[in-house]
Parts: sequence; structure tokens; C-alpha cells
Amino acid sequence: QKEVEQDPGPLSVPEGAIVSLNCTYSNSAFQYFMWYRQYSRKGPELLMYTYSSGNKEDGRFTAQVDKSSKYISLFIRDSQPSDSATYLCAMSSVSSGNTGKLIFGQGTTLQVKP
Amino acid sequence: KAGVTQTPRYLIKTRGQQVTLSCSPISGHRSVSWYQQTPGQGLQFLFEYFSETQRNKGNFPGRFSGRQFSNSRSEMNVSTLELGDSALYLCASSPVREGGYTFGSGTRLTVV
Repeated sequence: QKEVEQDPGPLSVPEGAIVSLNCTYSNSAFQYFMWYRQYSRKGPELLMYTYSSGNKEDGRFTAQVDKSSKYISLFIRDSQPSDSATYLCAMSSVSSGNTGKLIFGQGTTLQVKP
Repeated sequence: KAGVTQTPRYLIKTRGQQVTLSCSPISGHRSVSWYQQTPGQGLQFLFEYFSETQRNKGNFPGRFSGRQFSNSRSEMNVSTLELGDSALYLCASSPVREGGYTFGSGTRLTVV
């Protein structure tokens, strides 16, 4: 079993829809949670960075972390065709030997149709 | 503000050769990590450097190595290339080691 599980999709939605992307994880030591967006032939771009449980909002993006369920989500409101990309969740801990190391999900491919 | 710069962007090498990839982190970022991205395995951690010392290493063979210089710039080296080393190699930097890393555009390595 992988430490971080993410549905690879693809996920196809109409423009303007609310998108929900999710990851589950097994390592309870994870404390830092990130969402990255990756366009084809580009490096991952950091969208959201949160610590521990709770919600964080930035424009059309909202990240949620539920440590009790080991589940994180990214919501995209009013989705745009430019949001079409692969979304990667990533996690890290500060336990011995693991600081500085991100564990990634497989990524979800999102297509927003005009 | 300049981002993370990786050079070269593309490389084609022959099996058995060695290769060196370069990464210039964002100014002030002391933690530099390297990742290998392939369609089958996704993003996998190679190693992390902080203050010129390797602090963490992933499950890759000893053919993969790296170093960090006093100005935080980093290089990774792969010796005795194999066909399976073909991948996108990504460098990321952060001011702290917990997360929030900024990635470069990567070096696309093809081994033939």
C-alpha cells in the first residue's frame, strides 16, 4: 500500500463547476500538506501549503485537512479551462530521517471543458 | 524574483554514460531537494541537501549522487546510465525543510 493514495482520474468537468480533489494517507506523522498543479512539460507549481488540520482559502482554491480521517481535499470554485492540469498532493513530516522529503500522490488529471 | 533554475532542459545520453544536472535555487533558500518523475512511478524523492550536507536520501541506487555548494546551488550526478533512468528530474528549493518547496521546470533526460 502506498503512503499517499490519489485517484488518477481523469476528471472532466464543465467550465464554472466546483471541483473536488482528494488524497488519503496512512502515515499519521505527516504534519505538512501541499497541493501542486503541474501543466504538461512543466514543473509542479505550489498552490496551497497547510500545517496540521483545518481549512485554508486562497482565491478560488480551498484546501482542507482532516488528520483524524487522514484525508485531504482541494476545492476549486468557478473552474476555468486554464485549470486543466494534473494536481498533485504532497505531504511531509519532521520525524527523524524524513524532514525535507515530500511524499507525493500519483496526481489527478483534470480537464475543464469550455 | 527569480525562480528555481535547472539546466539543461533536455539531455540525450547513451547507456553507460554519466550525466550531471544543475540546479540554482531561489535566493535565500537553503534546502534543495531532487525528485525523479516518471509516468509509472510518479514523483519519487532522490535526496535533500541543506547547508551543503545531504540530510535525507531516497531509495535509489548509489549511481545517483549529488552535492550542494556554499551558495546553495546543487548538482546531481547519475553514473553508468541505464535505460530506466529516462525521466524528468526536478529540483525544488525551500527556506525551511518542512515543506512548501518551489520546483524548477526540470531536466528531461532520455537514455538511449
